[in-house]
Amino acid sequence: GQQVMQIPQYQHVQEGEDFTTYCNSSTTLSNIQWYKQRPGGHPVFLIQLVKSGEVKKQKRLTFQFGEAKKNSSLHITATQTTDVGTYFCAARALGGSYIPTFGRGTSLIVHP
Amino acid sequence: ETGVTQTPRHLVMGMTNKKSLKCEQHLGHNAMYWYKQSAKKPLELMFVYSLEERVENNSVPSRFSPECPNSSHLFLHLHTLQPEDSALYLCASSQAASGDSYEQYFGPGTRLTVT
Repeated sequence: GQQVMQIPQYQHVQEGEDFTTYCNSSTTLSNIQWYKQRPGGHPVFLIQLVKSGEVKKQKRLTFQFGEAKKNSSLHITATQTTDVGTYFCAARALGGSYIPTFGRGTSLIVHP
Repeated sequence: ETGVTQTPRHLVMGMTNKKSLKCEQHLGHNAMYWYKQSAKKPLELMFVYSLEERVENNSVPSRFSPECPNSSHLFLHLHTLQPEDSALYLCASSQAASGDSYEQYFGPGTRLTVT
């Protein structure tokens, strides 16, 4: 089945530093979604990217979809303690199942 | 958020018990999902229902039995579980499970401990 590799698995940052998580696929993707799960919580949808090279912003969060539609990134500028959590990508392969495959997630730990 | 609710929130059961997890969505969605989330394998898709029909079953052991009586309710019946089945069980719903990809709305989960 389709595999989605997400790196890094963990990331420790000092508050105010930037953070980036990457999602990579060996196959071309139809679209990719990003979710955030706070500690003790459940995944919450953040955004969906569909177009090649697409860039979307939500305040301090920037989401990118690669030109080849095989990778994506989530970048957080000037992290805050409220950014703590695990960030998951969920990717749907082009021509594949309509059900997206989740990456293993990147856990972000922000030190005040 | 109260769009997707799950009960119970916590469950401790012995290996010989039979229990059921319940999920209800109030969003008018047509697709519902069961996921298992553990430290070793985050977010494993177990079952998908679209318009009350099971459309995906990812090689889940038969000790897990799903039921979808209508598009708003989803159950996961548990029997003869093993300690390695201890995990957070998440229910999710989406507008559909085919065509365009739709975001999934997750419930708070049931924390299951098998003793």
